[in-house]
Amino acid sequence: GAVVSQHPSWVICKSGTSVKIECRSLDFQATTMFWYRQFPKQSLMLMATSNEGSKATYEQGVEKDKFLINHASLTLSTLTVTSAHPEDSSFYICSASPVTDTQYFGPGTRLTVL
Amino acid sequence: DQQVKQNSPSLSVQEGRISILNCDYTNSMFDYFLWYKKYPAEGPTFLISISSIKDKNEDGRFTVFLNKSAKHLSLHIVPSQPGDSAVYFCAASFYNQGGKLIFGQGTELSVKP
Repeated sequence: GAVVSQHPSWVICKSGTSVKIECRSLDFQATTMFWYRQFPKQSLMLMATSNEGSKATYEQGVEKDKFLINHASLTLSTLTVTSAHPEDSSFYICSASPVTDTQYFGPGTRLTVL
Repeated sequence: DQQVKQNSPSLSVQEGRISILNCDYTNSMFDYFLWYKKYPAEGPTFLISISSIKDKNEDGRFTVFLNKSAKHLSLHIVPSQPGDSAVYFCAASFYNQGGKLIFGQGTELSVKP
């Protein structure tokens, strides 16, 4: 149980285009989903927290207009990287939380912006 | 400002011996700590956690120790196995912030046969 999927697992796009990443909780309902970014050899950095049906809460320094988060249902959250640039290339990981203090992580999405 | 720090980027241990991974934090308001294991190009998987009201939690080969006065926690793996080779992240959270996790930089553990 407690499986979280992400799609796509990797994506390559041209600079200036937008990319959407999906995060799904497959066998549980997640009231809260989190989006993280990890650069090589670095920590997972929380980007934003999203609760179903409400606006996401972004961490300091994360541009909400660039990283659009939608949490339309209890099993799906999407992260859209708008007008992607090479510096946005990173490993994006979501997690889903059925209850406080428990997070199940997705396998991650490798984004490469050319 | 790195609130959770893992100062050792890597650790190499012989199979069968003990692995000790360390983590320091700066914010005394953290009240819940977790350890995750991560393989390359995969998401982290939960290993073990500890509440700030405890100083030790054990689960099989994994034990986490918390020293609140020193703002330090450690993960002990004994005996270490080659399959334990991965990157280990410690994370901390505040109870009243809805489960938001602050991660350390990770320590890459290599267990040699």
